[in-house]
Amino acid sequence: NAGVMQNPRHLVRRRGQEARLRCSPMKGHSHVYWYRQLPEEGLKFMVYLQKENIIDESGMPKERFSAEFPKEGPSILRIQQVVRGDSAAYFCASSPARGRDTQYFGPGTRLTVL
Amino acid sequence: DQQVKQNSPSLSVQEGRISILNCDYTNSMFDYFLWYKKYPAEGPTFLISISSIKDKNEDGRFTVFLNKSAKHLSLHIVPSQPGDSAVYFCAASVYKGAQKLVFGQGTRLTINP
Repeated sequence: NAGVMQNPRHLVRRRGQEARLRCSPMKGHSHVYWYRQLPEEGLKFMVYLQKENIIDESGMPKERFSAEFPKEGPSILRIQQVVRGDSAAYFCASSPARGRDTQYFGPGTRLTVL
Repeated sequence: DQQVKQNSPSLSVQEGRISILNCDYTNSMFDYFLWYKKYPAEGPTFLISISSIKDKNEDGRFTVFLNKSAKHLSLHIVPSQPGDSAVYFCAASVYKGAQKLVFGQGTRLTINP
């Protein structure tokens, strides 16, 4: 059973460009979470999605960030007009269902903004 | 507002001895706690969890203790092995439908041979 897949693993963008990060959950998992880790800090929750629904986006910056989890295909975290402060590791996690199910994390995408 | 705190950025332990990692929280609504281990350039790996209705949970070499009155939890690793060298994060959640996790800053554990 393949784990959570994220791609790309590394992404370099110049200021003002768009970044698209993809996450394929574990087989059988229908819940996806995105977290961001800034250097020397813990992971910070960004958004929680189910197929075609955003359940909780309380951790998402109000501008430039969006997330989706379509009926088919991976979940996408999109950052428009990136700035240097967006440089971080972005982790996706998945779980089978809501509630007490453990979240399993992918390897992360390291975004560097030049 | 740091709701989950790991006050020790690093810890060094001799191989074979016990490693004790600590975590404090401030939000009394948290009722589920987890420990994750993270190697460089990898995602966090789930280790062990505990519900607030318990005060101890064991899984092999790993034991988590929860003291609700002190809002404190700890992870014990016995015996410590070189492969345990990693960054350890504690995380907490409030069960309100969405199980978003609130993470501490992490503790870097080094096991010395």
